[in-house]
Amino acid sequence: GAGVSQSPSNKVTEKGKDVELRCDPISGHTALYWYRQRLGQGLEFLIYFQGNSAPDKSGLPSDRFSAERTGESVSTLTIQRTQQEDSAVYLCASSLQAYEQYFGPGTRLTVT
Amino acid sequence: KNEVEQSPQNLTAQEGEFITINCSYSVGISALHWLQQHPGGGIVSLFMLSSGKKKHGRLIATINIQEKHSSLHITASHPRDSAVYICAVVPSYNTDKLIFGTGTRLQVFP
Repeated sequence: GAGVSQSPSNKVTEKGKDVELRCDPISGHTALYWYRQRLGQGLEFLIYFQGNSAPDKSGLPSDRFSAERTGESVSTLTIQRTQQEDSAVYLCASSLQAYEQYFGPGTRLTVT
Repeated sequence: KNEVEQSPQNLTAQEGEFITINCSYSVGISALHWLQQHPGGGIVSLFMLSSGKKKHGRLIATINIQEKHSSLHITASHPRDSAVYICAVVPSYNTDKLIFGTGTRLQVFP
């Protein structure tokens, strides 16, 4: 079956613009995660959705970052007023069983 | 100090060599993942371990819970094994989360 998909695969934007990144999880997966990976660094947790529970937003680096998820389907990560330090690969993962996350291919964001 | 440490950070090898990547962690865990990330950025899960040893083809992963240590071994390495290998743990205090190591960049030359 289809894995986790993300779009766009690459995004170049000007500083100060807003961007939206999309994640389509594996069908039926109740949990969805967003991570960020800056160049040469490890993955940073951003936000976690589990079913209809309130999301865990503890990893969002500033109020310019927000994310939504409609039920157990697609999620959108929005970055407002982008800054150069937002340049990174943004990865989405979904899971059904505890512990096991399936990762998408990522969106490479470049802020110029 | 990071809760998950990997060594080495960078590793080069000649094709055919036996490779070991190490992961040490400082928290109690429910499980440990080894992940592979190719230059395009996508991540593939190689193993999930909570004890003992697992083997898939030329890849072997071991974990010692008492010593809080895991190793990923690659036998008969090949250039296509070149990637970043990431250790990630599921902490016992929050099994909804993963804590990632910073990764080991492996380059295998023909």
